[in-house]
Amino acid sequence: QKEVEQDPGPLSVPEGAIVSLNCTYSNSAFQYFMWYRQYSRKGPELLMYTYSSGNKEDGRFTAQVDKSSKYISLFIRDSQPSDSATYLCAMSASYNKLIFGAGTRLAVHP
Amino acid sequence: GAVVSQHPSWVICKSGTSVKIECRSLDFQATTMFWYRQFPKQSLMLMATSNEGSKATYEQGVEKDKFLINHASLTLSTLTVTSAHPEDSSFYICSAPPSREAADTQYFGPGTRLTVL
Repeated sequence: QKEVEQDPGPLSVPEGAIVSLNCTYSNSAFQYFMWYRQYSRKGPELLMYTYSSGNKEDGRFTAQVDKSSKYISLFIRDSQPSDSATYLCAMSASYNKLIFGAGTRLAVHP
Repeated sequence: GAVVSQHPSWVICKSGTSVKIECRSLDFQATTMFWYRQFPKQSLMLMATSNEGSKATYEQGVEKDKFLINHASLTLSTLTVTSAHPEDSSFYICSAPPSREAADTQYFGPGTRLTVL
């Protein structure tokens, strides 16, 4: 079993839809949770960062962490074609080592 | 936000040659940098942790004699792929925490695509 599980998709949604992306994990020591966006042939860009459990909102993006269920989510409201990318969840027990999910490819069509 | 650059962005080389990839933190100092490898449609896999002024720490299964890492200054880490072979063709990405206070986050470079013929 992988430490971090993420459905690779692809996920295709119409413009304006609410997108839900999820990851599950097995290591209860993880306490730092991140979502990165990666466009094709580019480096990952940090979108959201959450420490421990709870919700965090930034514009159209909301990150949720449920440590009791070992489950994290990223919601994108009013999705735009420019949101089309691969979304990677990442987590760590300490800053020395990030463990990434496989990434979910998202396509938002006009 | 913090900026990390990489050079070159794309390199093609012949099998058996060595390739050096540079990772620079442009507006902050990084005592630690990380090197990742990403194969097509796969996630990032940590290869090694680069520490300024000391030896790098390699992940299990990564050959330290093949992937030489040098972190000579607080803004520069280099990864040299020695005697490259086609199976080393991949996307290599570096990252660094933007500050000591934000050591639990990482900012990534744009990546270097290596193709070994």
